[in-house]
Amino acid sequence: GAVVSQHPSRVICKSGTSVKIECRSLDFQATTMFWYRQFPKQSLMLMATSNEGSKATYEQGVEKDKFLINHASLTLSTLTVTSAHPEDSSFYICSASAGTSLETQYFGPGTRLLVL
Amino acid sequence: GQNIDQPTEMTATEGAIVQINCTYQTSGFNGLFWYQQHAGEAPTFLSYNVLDGLEEKGRFSSFLSRSKGYSYLLLKELQMKDSASYLCAPMDSNYQLIWGAGTKLIIKP
Repeated sequence: GAVVSQHPSRVICKSGTSVKIECRSLDFQATTMFWYRQFPKQSLMLMATSNEGSKATYEQGVEKDKFLINHASLTLSTLTVTSAHPEDSSFYICSASAGTSLETQYFGPGTRLLVL
Repeated sequence: GQNIDQPTEMTATEGAIVQINCTYQTSGFNGLFWYQQHAGEAPTFLSYNVLDGLEEKGRFSSFLSRSKGYSYLLLKELQMKDSASYLCAPMDSNYQLIWGAGTKLIIKP
């Protein structure tokens, strides 16, 4: 149980284009989904927290107009990196939790983004 | 501020036991998670402690002392596949996980 999928697993795009990453909870309803970014050999950095049907809460320093998050259903959240630049190249990972704030976060496999 | 202190890297031998220590300082506390992360992959959940004491789950055990702001992850009968980074992540009063860089564990034959 508690499987989270992410798509695509890897994407290469040109600078200036937009990229959408999907995160799905496959066998549970995810009340809350989290989006992280991780640079090589660094810790996970929380970008935003989203609850189904409401606007995402962004961490300080994360541009909400650049990283668009939509949590349209209890099993799907999307992150769109708009007008991507090479510095946006990173490992993007989503996680989902089922219920209360104390629920364990289960992670998707991650999406490796390379912007040329 | 909030911070986590774990050794950057540890080396152990296949079949042995290793203990990965973690000290933390958070604004409030709602438990502590341990995750395993293999290189290039996303973290996977290992354990959750909210009360003091030892939680055992197969070859892995996790210990928590809230008064000391201290936790450890104990791995027994080490296997080569246990080579990974181990992330100690306490949850603060806002129910946010606080992440450090983790401990890279290298297992040698």
